[in-house]
Amino acid sequence: SQQGEEDPQALSIQEGENATMNCSYKTSINNLQWYRQNSGRGLVHLILIRSNEREKHSGRLRVTLDTSKKSSSLLITASRAADTASYFCATGDMRFGAGTRLTVKP
Amino acid sequence: GAVVSQHPSWVICKSGTSVKIECRSLDFQATTMFWYRQFPKQSLMLMATSNEGSKATYEQGVEKDKFLINHASLTLSTLTVTSAHPEDSSFYICSAREVGLGTQYFGPGTRLLVL
Repeated sequence: SQQGEEDPQALSIQEGENATMNCSYKTSINNLQWYRQNSGRGLVHLILIRSNEREKHSGRLRVTLDTSKKSSSLLITASRAADTASYFCATGDMRFGAGTRLTVKP
Repeated sequence: GAVVSQHPSWVICKSGTSVKIECRSLDFQATTMFWYRQFPKQSLMLMATSNEGSKATYEQGVEKDKFLINHASLTLSTLTVTSAHPEDSSFYICSAREVGLGTQYFGPGTRLLVL
């Protein structure tokens, strides 16, 4: 299974701080995708990083990928209360781990 | 960004009835669509992968005769929950993989409540 596993499972920070979440997977990949889910809603696609990329930016998001360690990280800078959500990573077969529940306190 | 719609967004039905959920990719073609279910405060559990024009591939433990999947076109997949029971009550989410780029887009989900 290429299921992504996120850690930590829960993260609570103050508004303005940075949040870092990690994802590990087991087999080789073509790409890795990060998603956000607000409670009771569908998933929002955040960013896709290809296996030949090491880092990618999108606004306040920064994603890194280390294929040698089979891991990826998602950094949210200058967090806002609206960033409160669950974050998931997914690889090719689109199986999800438990996700990281991020709470940003105003 | 690309849009995936689901219909209905919520449904309440009586035990024993069948419920059909539609998943459409609105502005792109998707040869592959995925169906998930999610219980409160839990992650998404992949139920099945459907490819346009062929039979769906079900995950272990998912009954194919109970959860009928049809992917008749490049923009539409349907999930039918047959003879629904209260334990089928859940949040069902579909996603569509964009041809070429491989980016996966998710629908807003369908909340099913079986009484």
